[in-house]
Amino acid sequence: NAGVTQTPKFRVLKTGQSMTLLCAQDMNHEYMYWYRQDPGMGLRLIHYSVGEGTTAKGEVPDGYNVSRLKKQNFLLGLESAAPSQTSVYFCASSFSRDYIHEQYFGPGTRLTVT
Amino acid sequence: AQSVTQLDSHVSVSEGTPVLLRCNYSSSYSPSLFWYVQHPNKGLQLLLKYTSAATLVKGINGFEAEFKKSETSFHLTKPSAHMSDAAEYFCVVSPEYYGNNRLAFGKGNQVVVIP
Repeated sequence: NAGVTQTPKFRVLKTGQSMTLLCAQDMNHEYMYWYRQDPGMGLRLIHYSVGEGTTAKGEVPDGYNVSRLKKQNFLLGLESAAPSQTSVYFCASSFSRDYIHEQYFGPGTRLTVT
Repeated sequence: AQSVTQLDSHVSVSEGTPVLLRCNYSSSYSPSLFWYVQHPNKGLQLLLKYTSAATLVKGINGFEAEFKKSETSFHLTKPSAHMSDAAEYFCVVSPEYYGNNRLAFGKGNQVVVIP
């Protein structure tokens, strides 16, 4: 049981380049999330999904797109990277439970945009 | 909408002394509350959670937290700090209603343990 895994762990992009971050979970969770973490800001929700084939915007969705074609995978895409997207990105997943949404986090992807 | 306030973004404690991290929340309903810990260059790990059962919650590594509805607080404590407790700690409040799965995160407490 690997939990939540993220690929890649590190990446450096030039402004304008594109990339996709992959998140996978093996816990059969319905909900999946993408966050970004910046110093002094805590975690901010980018996009989330409540099930296969569904996605929704979070707090800071601009400049990102997501897809959930399979229940176990949640992809985060940057179409045209900007220096403001330099951050640590975390994926998380959770069961769908009444008022109890404990989330399980991946190890993170450190992205630098130059 | 729910929100979380964590004061003291940086906290220094001496090894062997108590740890206290303060968390205050706002929510229209009785929420579920969580503390997560993040060690350097790692993901977030659940420390403990409150889900409307006992108000004093015990977590991993000797941490505990007490839910006080009258004070809208969920402070995290540990009687004796260990060097391995150096990490960042996040207080998190659950959604206000079923179907809204968007947690509200505090900005975190960076804990430094002095030998």
